[in-house]
Amino acid sequence: DAGVTQTPRHEVAEKGQTIILKCEPVSGHNDLFWYRQTKIQGLELLSYFRSKSLMEDGGAFKDRFKAEMLNSSFSTLKIQPTEPKDSAVYLCASSLERGLAEQFFGPGTRLTVL
Amino acid sequence: GDSVTQTEGPVTLSEGTSLTVNCSYETKQYPTLFWYVQYPGEGPQLLFKVPKANEKGSSRGFEATYNKEATSFHLQKASVQESDSAVYYCALTGWPNYNVLYFGSGTKLTVEP
Repeated sequence: DAGVTQTPRHEVAEKGQTIILKCEPVSGHNDLFWYRQTKIQGLELLSYFRSKSLMEDGGAFKDRFKAEMLNSSFSTLKIQPTEPKDSAVYLCASSLERGLAEQFFGPGTRLTVL
Repeated sequence: GDSVTQTEGPVTLSEGTSLTVNCSYETKQYPTLFWYVQYPGEGPQLLFKVPKANEKGSSRGFEATYNKEATSFHLQKASVQESDSAVYYCALTGWPNYNVLYFGSGTKLTVEP
């Protein structure tokens, strides 16, 4: 089975641009997570979906970050407008719906905002 | 709220020496505890998880015991190898969404030959 797929792997944006990151979860997984990873803050949860419904939306990220599940096998994370402090690795993960299921992570998208 | 504190990195060891990465947690619930490992250029992957207090988890020579009294979950390995070089994350489940993980800051381990 294919794992979690994320595209692009690298993205460079100018300040103020809109960027869209994409994620395809493991087939059959109903839970999908977006994280931001930085050296200083580590792994921070941005959004959590269950069966396409938004379950948790990281409070600190609401204003310029919007995650969506367009269908059960595709999710996007839009950052609008981008700022240099958004430079980070953005990770997508998925898991089965049952409690305490293992999260499977994609390789991440490295975003650099100039 | 729920939080995890782990050994500040980076940690550099010689092959064959022992490893301990400390992990302490705070939560009002009864969490499941996890160790994840992240290799360069990859996302984190589960090393093992322990859902019950006083039980031990292990994988690939790594082990940790869920100590409810001390609220700790320290990662140990008796003899590290160069291939163990990675970032290690301690994590716990959140409440009320039990599938949400709260991660520690990560500990970067470098093992020298």
